[in-house]
Amino acid sequence: GQNIDQPTEMTATEGAIVQINCTYQTSGFNGLFWYQQHAGEAPTFLSYNVLDGLEEKGRFSSFLSRSKGYSYLLLKELQMKDSASYLCAGMILTGGGNKLTFGTGTQLKVEL
Amino acid sequence: DGGITQSPKYLFRKEGQNVTLSCEQNLNHDAMYWYRQDPGQGLRLIYYSQIVNDFQKGDIAEGYSVSREKKESFPLTVTSAQKNPTAFYLCASSRADNANQPQHFGDGTRLSIL
Repeated sequence: GQNIDQPTEMTATEGAIVQINCTYQTSGFNGLFWYQQHAGEAPTFLSYNVLDGLEEKGRFSSFLSRSKGYSYLLLKELQMKDSASYLCAGMILTGGGNKLTFGTGTQLKVEL
Repeated sequence: DGGITQSPKYLFRKEGQNVTLSCEQNLNHDAMYWYRQDPGQGLRLIYYSQIVNDFQKGDIAEGYSVSREKKESFPLTVTSAQKNPTAFYLCASSRADNANQPQHFGDGTRLSIL
């Protein structure tokens, strides 16, 4: 089966760094995506990892270890607008095509 | 501008009634997806389609139906067999030629039971 786990909520301070962890157990795994979702809005794509290592995109970085079934999203220089839900999703290859399995999301609250 | 359009934004359904949610994209994407999101839960896949005239059941397909007659359109029908239809429904699309293509989402439709 497919299982994606991430913390339910986290709180951090403006200007700080926060790391959101995600562990997965999936068959047919072919990469891991991170999305940001503000309340009542659509998810927006942040990053993708298929190989082990760190991918950096400005204030956001994502890391993957396939052997450990582990990923994290790192947010630097936190801003109030970063308060949102962060969704971890595993890409699964199936006979019918590619599909994503999502975790329940981590609600991040950025405080002054 | 290219994007994914879902309509309506809010939809109300009476008990025993079928309703259809619209999803249109002009991104020239081959793959399209429907998800359901409930409070405190992640997105759950209802149906997906990698190519016109073909679609696959996702994890929670019971009580739903789809069609993919055109590349641009992937409507979702919530049938009366879906006993708990109140949720936020999200449509997404992506290129299908490479597994590392991200899915792009529409703004969603909120469905409620009267």
